[in-house]
Amino acid sequence: GAVVSQHPSRVICKSGTSVKIECRSLDFQATTMFWYRQFPKQSLMLMATSNEGSKATYEQGVEKDKFLINHASLTLSTLTVTSAHPEDSSFYICSARTRRFTDTQYFGPGTRLTVL
Amino acid sequence: GQNIDQPTEMTATEGAIVQINCTYQTSGFNGLFWYQQHAGEAPTFLSYNVLDGLEEKGRFSSFLSRSKGYSYLLLKELQMKDSASYLCAVGGRTDKLIFGTGTRLQVFP
Repeated sequence: GAVVSQHPSRVICKSGTSVKIECRSLDFQATTMFWYRQFPKQSLMLMATSNEGSKATYEQGVEKDKFLINHASLTLSTLTVTSAHPEDSSFYICSARTRRFTDTQYFGPGTRLTVL
Repeated sequence: GQNIDQPTEMTATEGAIVQINCTYQTSGFNGLFWYQQHAGEAPTFLSYNVLDGLEEKGRFSSFLSRSKGYSYLLLKELQMKDSASYLCAVGGRTDKLIFGTGTRLQVFP
């Protein structure tokens, strides 16, 4: 149990375009989903916390108008990187939390975004 | 402030035992997690401690002392595939997990 999928796994886009990343909990309902980004050889940096049906809570320094988060259901959250720039190139990882497994966060496989 | 410290890098030999330490200072405590992350992949859950003591799960064990703000991950009978980063994370007062910078473990034959 506790499988989280993420799509796409890799995406290359041109500067100025928008990219949508989907995160799904496949076999459980996630009370909360989280979005992280990770630069090479660095740890995970939390971008935002997302609860179903309510607005996401963004971490300090993360632009909410640039990184749009929609948590449409208890099994789906999406992150849209708008007007992407090369400095947005990173590894984006979502996680979903379920109280069924002692509040553990389970991570999706990640999406590697490259902006040209 | 909130702070999680763990060594940056460690090396060990195949078949050996290695202990990765983690100390933390956080406002509130809702459990300590260890994750394994191979290069280019997302973290996978290894263990969760909320009470003091040792939790054993096969070759991996995790220990917690809440009074000392200290945990360790013990890996026995090391295999080459254990070469990865190991992330210590603490659940604080909110929903969020606070991650350490990770310990990169290299296992040599």
